[in-house]
Amino acid sequence: KAGVTQTPRYLIKTRGQQVTLSCSPISGHRSVSWYQQTPGQGLQFLFEYFSETQRNKGNFPGRFSGRQFSNSRSEMNVSTLELGDSALYLCASSPGGHGDTQYFGPGTRLTVL
Amino acid sequence: GENVEQHPSTLSVQEGDSAVIKCTYSDSASNYFPWYKQELGKRPQLIIDIRSNVGEKKDQRIAVTLNKTAKHFSLHITETQPEDSAVYFCAASITGGGADGLTFGKGTHLIIQP
Repeated sequence: KAGVTQTPRYLIKTRGQQVTLSCSPISGHRSVSWYQQTPGQGLQFLFEYFSETQRNKGNFPGRFSGRQFSNSRSEMNVSTLELGDSALYLCASSPGGHGDTQYFGPGTRLTVL
Repeated sequence: GENVEQHPSTLSVQEGDSAVIKCTYSDSASNYFPWYKQELGKRPQLIIDIRSNVGEKKDQRIAVTLNKTAKHFSLHITETQPEDSAVYFCAASITGGGADGLTFGKGTHLIIQP
């Protein structure tokens, strides 16, 4: 099976702009989770989608949002970008059941200038 | 919410020696504990995981132990090799990785000295 893919791999934006990142899960997986990775804060959970519904959400401001489509592909949107949003954004997919392993994508490196 | 502490932040060992990384968690309801390895510029990859109904799990040179009473779990790598050099993350989750999201430790940079 093909692994988790993310597009784009690199992105440069300026403060105040918005950005949309995309994640395609492993075929058959119905759950997609998003994480932010920074040197200072490490890996932090943003939110998780299962069957087009947000099941859980981490402690991030409302500027961070997401959605999931019927084919399980997911998008994450960040509005009004701040310098501190510069990070590696990783998505992970799993079948969606309790205790299922999460498999990560390669990430999108976002730089906010 | 859950809080995961990971130690040490950096670990340097001689090739062939063993390495041990320790994590503690705060929420006694957590019942799924995966370990991920992340090489520079690459995605985190699951190397082993353990669930709360098991005290120890092994996979070749890698083992994980879990003490639910003390709320800590550890990663053990024996006969370390140069390709083991990477950042290792522990994580904890309630009910499993899908429903609640993973809470990660800050990572351990493992350096294997030749």
